[in-house]
Amino acid sequence: DAKTTQPPSMDCAEGRAANLPCNHSTISGNEYVYWYRQIHSQGPQYIIHGLKNNETNEMASLIITEDRKSSTLILPHATLRDTAVYYCIVRVDTGTASKLTFGTGTRLQVTL
Amino acid sequence: NAGVTQTPKFRILKIGQSMTLQCTQDMNHNYMYWYRQDPGMGLKLIYYSVGAGITDKGEVPNGYNVSRSTTEDFPLRLELAAPSQTSVYFCASSSGRVLYGYTFGSGTRLTVV
Repeated sequence: DAKTTQPPSMDCAEGRAANLPCNHSTISGNEYVYWYRQIHSQGPQYIIHGLKNNETNEMASLIITEDRKSSTLILPHATLRDTAVYYCIVRVDTGTASKLTFGTGTRLQVTL
Repeated sequence: NAGVTQTPKFRILKIGQSMTLQCTQDMNHNYMYWYRQDPGMGLKLIYYSVGAGITDKGEVPNGYNVSRSTTEDFPLRLELAAPSQTSVYFCASSSGRVLYGYTFGSGTRLTVV
C-alpha cells in the first residue's frame, strides 16, 4: 500500500467546513483512497472511499486531485461530534486479503 | 444488526497468565482481522483470516495465536501475557470487496500488570 502523509492535528469551528488533506504521492493506478475516523478510543468507522472521481455520501465528500497524488476529506458542517482522529488510507484490493494499514492520522478538534 | 461483537470490554491480567479475546460477526464476512492500538498510536495488524480454516500473520504477531473454525468467530489467544501487550485490541471484518469498508468492534482494553 502507498504511504500517506497527514497533518497531525487541525482545528475547526462548529458549523464550518472541515477540510482534511492527505498526500499519497506514490499511489498506483489500482489503489483506492479510504477514509476512516476514530472517536475517542472507539473502533474506527468507515467514512468514504474513492478511486479517481470525487465522491459524496451522507457523511462527507472526498476530493481526489487529477493526478491522484493527494486528496481532501470534507465535512461540510462540522459538529462537536466530529471531533476524532481521521485516517487516510491507500489500499489495493487484491481480492484475497485486503489489509488496511493505519497511520497516526489527523486529530480534528471541533470547537464552539 | 449486531455487527462485530468483542468480549470482554476490559480485562486486567497478571504477567504470565493467558486469555482469549472473543470476536464474533453476524454479517457473513469472509475476512476478519485483529489489530492492537497503543496509546497515541495508529492500529497495527496482528493476525487476519480470509475464511474459515485460513489465518495469516500481520505486522505484530509475536505473543498471539488465532484460529478460525467458523465464519462468524475469530478468537485471539494470549498465551503468556507480558506488559508489552497492554493495549486496546480491535477486531474487524470485511466482505473483502472494495465497495465495502471494514466494520470494527468496540474494542477490548487489556492491561497486563
